Amino acid sequence: QVQLVQSGAEVKKPGASVKVSCKASGYPFTDHYMHWVRQAPGQGLEWMGRINPYSGGANYAQKFQGRVTMTRDTSINTAYMDLSSLRSDDTAVYYCAKDGREGMDVWGQGTTVTVSS
Amino acid sequence: SYELTQPPSVSVSPGQTASITCSGHKLGDKYISWYQQKPGQSPAQVIYQDNKRPSGIPERFSGSNSGNTATLTISGAQAMDEADYYCQAWDRNTAIFGGGTKLTVL
Repeated sequence: QVQLVQSGAEVKKPGASVKVSCKASGYPFTDHYMHWVRQAPGQGLEWMGRINPYSGGANYAQKFQGRVTMTRDTSINTAYMDLSSLRSDDTAVYYCAKDGREGMDVWGQGTTVTVSS
Repeated sequence: SYELTQPPSVSVSPGQTASITCSGHKLGDKYISWYQQKPGQSPAQVIYQDNKRPSGIPERFSGSNSGNTATLTISGAQAMDEADYYCQAWDRNTAIFGGGTKLTVL
């Protein structure tokens, strides 16, 4: 079955960077965009951007331009999201989600990123 | 920038029909997806392309989209449907989420 497995929780200091991974299985990895969505504590869903695993091309939400980088390694069917210059308001659960049906049809389990001094 | 507006909360009695709205400028010209998120869980798509149900989603979930408003309807709501619901659309290569609606079944 289609599955997305994300890396474990992270604790970072303000100003640092974090890299979250998302390993895909059960479908052709390069056939579908991969999205990244975050959710701050008690808040709603916020789309950060997406990557085309076939070409490596990505487009980012304007809010994160210059601070986020999405990459992939097709040899291990894994997508990555790198967020730099972390602030306390970046504390959130970060999800990867497979593109499908004009939306996001399969989601990872989420990775908690805590930014604290 | 494009915005989607949802009511913060909706309440429904068990067995009754719940309707959750999502409003945006000319929303009917876009495809809408709806996601259900239960506490401590990842979101799950329950409606796509306005009114289609993914495999495994009960028939009591339905959707519509016209004009400036999309609606998620849960017919015969059950206690297990209590969750947060988010609408989502695309605008200029950007995915937009509504603010979410907490559905209470009581």
